[in-house]
Formats: sequence, structure tokens, C-alpha cells
Amino acid sequence: DGGITQSPKYLFRKEGQNVTLSCEQNLNHDAMYWYRQDPGQGLRLIYYSQIVNDFQKGDIAEGYSVSREKKESFPLTVTSAQKNPTAFYLCASSITVLAKTGELFFGEGSRLTVL
Amino acid sequence: DQQVKQNSPSLSVQEGRISILNCDYTNSMFDYFLWYKKYPAEGPTFLISISSIKDKNEDGRFTVFLNKSAKHLSLHIVPSQPGDSAVYFCAARVYSGGGADGLTFGKGTHLIIQP
Repeated sequence: DGGITQSPKYLFRKEGQNVTLSCEQNLNHDAMYWYRQDPGQGLRLIYYSQIVNDFQKGDIAEGYSVSREKKESFPLTVTSAQKNPTAFYLCASSITVLAKTGELFFGEGSRLTVL
Repeated sequence: DQQVKQNSPSLSVQEGRISILNCDYTNSMFDYFLWYKKYPAEGPTFLISISSIKDKNEDGRFTVFLNKSAKHLSLHIVPSQPGDSAVYFCAARVYSGGGADGLTFGKGTHLIIQP
């Protein structure tokens, strides 16, 4: 089945530790995104990548880093510099240039809790 | 500065009645608008979209209306069913021509369908 797989679903981290969230897609989509959701907030864009080996900062990139070495994979690292990392993280993908509607396909999400 | 606003954090509707979810936007460059549905601890799923050149799009029980002059769109669900209880996000896209830069989301409206 085609889709987006995020792992782990739940993750606990001590303050000062970096953690990496995995995102893999087999939809053959060019673009991939990371969003963050906080209670009562909409989804806010952290980073996005339109093509392999290229990525752009979103609205709240500080304290995060990404890589796009393969089309299928777009891991997100939450660094110790991120002041408030506890949140629900969503990975998404889309077709880019040919996309008509800009529809994003989302993974199931990863909940990160900093202890 | 919120470009996509959903001013009602929650909405309660009786089963079988019409649910109307509202969304306002400020950016005149948005060319596509989308609605997503989200259950707790899951990723959002695409529901319906509308191009900025149209004023209505219908898909089964779901209809989206766009009023460009008022920068307002609404999602109508009729008849409402218990499975419709979820958080609904309004989202919008600016198509830069060079690719898809992601979507801008509102904060969401929690729709509760009462039996």
C-alpha cells in the first residue's frame, strides 16, 4: 500500500538530547514537509523539500534540522536548541510542479515529549 | 500574523442537521483552498478543495463555498453524522510557480456531532 510512514509514534526525550524523527514515503512524491501541531494551534511548517538534496526553512525552523538524501526519506532532527519541543509532529508529501491543488498527504504523526 | 483564520474553536451540531464551518483569509495570493479532517493522534486527511476561480465545489455530503470578495470560505456537511466528529482544518496555498511551498493552515474547528 502506498503511503507515508512516520516513526516512532511516541518518543520521550530528556532535555539537552537531540532526537530524529523518521519519515518515509512510497508515493513517488517529489515534495516532503514537516509540520508541528500544538494544542489549540494549527499546523505550522518547519521545513520542506521540493527535490532531493534541497530543502527550505518554513515558518518555525529554529532548533530543527533536516536532510533529503533520498526521494523517499525526509528525517527531522529536533535539536537541543529547540526551546519547546514537546509537540505532535506531522510529515507530509505532495507532487510539486504538476500539482493542481497542492493537496498534501500526511503520515500518522509522531508525538514527542520532553521530560 | 495569521493568514488563515478559523474563529470558532468548536461547534456542536445535532446528528442529521447541517454543519457549517467557517474560514477567513487575508492573503489575496491564495489560489487553492482545502479542508482537512483530523482525528486525535492521527494525521489529517484531505476532504475537499476549491480553486480560487470557482465559488462552489460539491462532493457527496460535503460542499465548500468560496466568497472571494469577502475572503471567506465555508464547509457545509449535510446531513451530519457521528463519524464527522473531528477537528477540521482550513488550509490555503500560494502557488509560486516553482513548486509547491506547502499549505498555510488555520487553527482548526472541533466539530462535535450529538446524537
